[in-house]
Parts: sequence; C-alpha cells; structure tokens
Amino acid sequence: DGGITQSPKYLFRKEGQNVTLSCEQNLNHDAMYWYRQDPGQGLRLIYYSQIVNDFQKGDIAEGYSVSREKKESFPLTVTSAQKNPTAFYLCASSMTGDSLNEQFFGPGTRLTVL
Amino acid sequence: AQSVTQLDSHVSVSEGTPVLLRCNYSSSYSPSLFWYVQHPNKGLQLLLKYTSAATLVKGINGFEAEFKKSETSFHLTKPSAHMSDAAEYFCVVRSGGYQKVTFGTGTKLQVIP
Repeated sequence: DGGITQSPKYLFRKEGQNVTLSCEQNLNHDAMYWYRQDPGQGLRLIYYSQIVNDFQKGDIAEGYSVSREKKESFPLTVTSAQKNPTAFYLCASSMTGDSLNEQFFGPGTRLTVL
Repeated sequence: AQSVTQLDSHVSVSEGTPVLLRCNYSSSYSPSLFWYVQHPNKGLQLLLKYTSAATLVKGINGFEAEFKKSETSFHLTKPSAHMSDAAEYFCVVRSGGYQKVTFGTGTKLQVIP
C-alpha cells in the first residue's frame, strides 16, 4: 500500500526533553510538510521540504528542527525550546509544491507534555 | 496574500437530510481549492479538489462542491447525510509556492439519527 506513516501514535514527554516524531512516505513524493494542529485553529505549517537535503521554515518553526536525508523520510524534533508543544502533529507529502497537487496526510502523532 | 473562512464552526443535520458546509476564500492568484475530512485522532483525507477545470467538482462519498469565482466561495454539499459523515471538514486554498497552503479553521459536522 502506498501512503504515509507516522510514529508513534501517542508520545509523552517530560519538560526539558527533546523528542523526535517519525514520518515516512512511499509515494515517491518530492515535497514533505509538518503541521501542528490545535483545537479551533486549523493546521499551521512548521517546516517543509522541497527535495532531499533542503528544508524551509514555515509559520511556526521556533522550537522545532527537521532533517531530510532521504526522499522518503522527514523526521521532526520537538526541542525543549518549544514553549507549548502539546498538540496533534501531522505530516504530509505532495508530488511537488505546485498548487495543483494535493497533499496526502499521515495518521498523526499526539504529543503530550507532562 | 490568501485566506480561507469557514463560516460555521459547527453544523448539525439529521440523517438523510442535505449537508451544506460553507467556505469563502481570497487569493491574489488563481487558486486551487480542496476539501478534506478528518475523523477524530486521524489524519486528513482528501474529499475533492478544484484546479481550474470544471467548476462543479464531484468527490468521494457523494460529496460535491461548486467553485463560484464571483462569490469567492467553494461550498461543500451532499444530498443526504449518513451517520458516517460525522467528522471535521477543512477547506484549503493553495496558490503559488510550497508554503502557500492555507487551512480553514474547520467545521464539525454532527449527524443526528
């Protein structure tokens, strides 16, 4: 099956810890994205990547970091600098960044800070 | 600049009655428009998309939407609601580059048996 996988589904973090969320796609898409979803706010873009070894900050990148060493993988690290990390995190991919292309979403990771 | 407004945060319908979820957008360019559905604690699934072809777009599960440029609207409709349609729906506008994707704040659809 082609698609996007995210792991883990649920993640708990103590304050001051860094955690890494996994995102893998086998759709052969060039572009990948990380979004944060909070109740009543829609989705907000954290980082995006157009191609391997390239990524750009989105609207709310502070306290987050990413890497894109392989086409199929785009992990997100939530650092201790992120003031309010409790949220639902969604990874997405699209064939390219062209506006004609829809995004495909993973099932999400719910991060809770204890 | 672009924006999207979902006019209702909650919509409640009876099973078997029509569904109307409203979306207005603004964009400096010719946009692509999308509707996604999200069930609780799940990812987003594409229902349909408009990319400057036919203005009436048919999607999955009996949903359709009509692009009206003069009204800057892209409302989502379904003739007859099913219990499984209860979910949150997002209208999305996309134009320009990779980061030019704007999500609405979502409409929660409740279907009453």
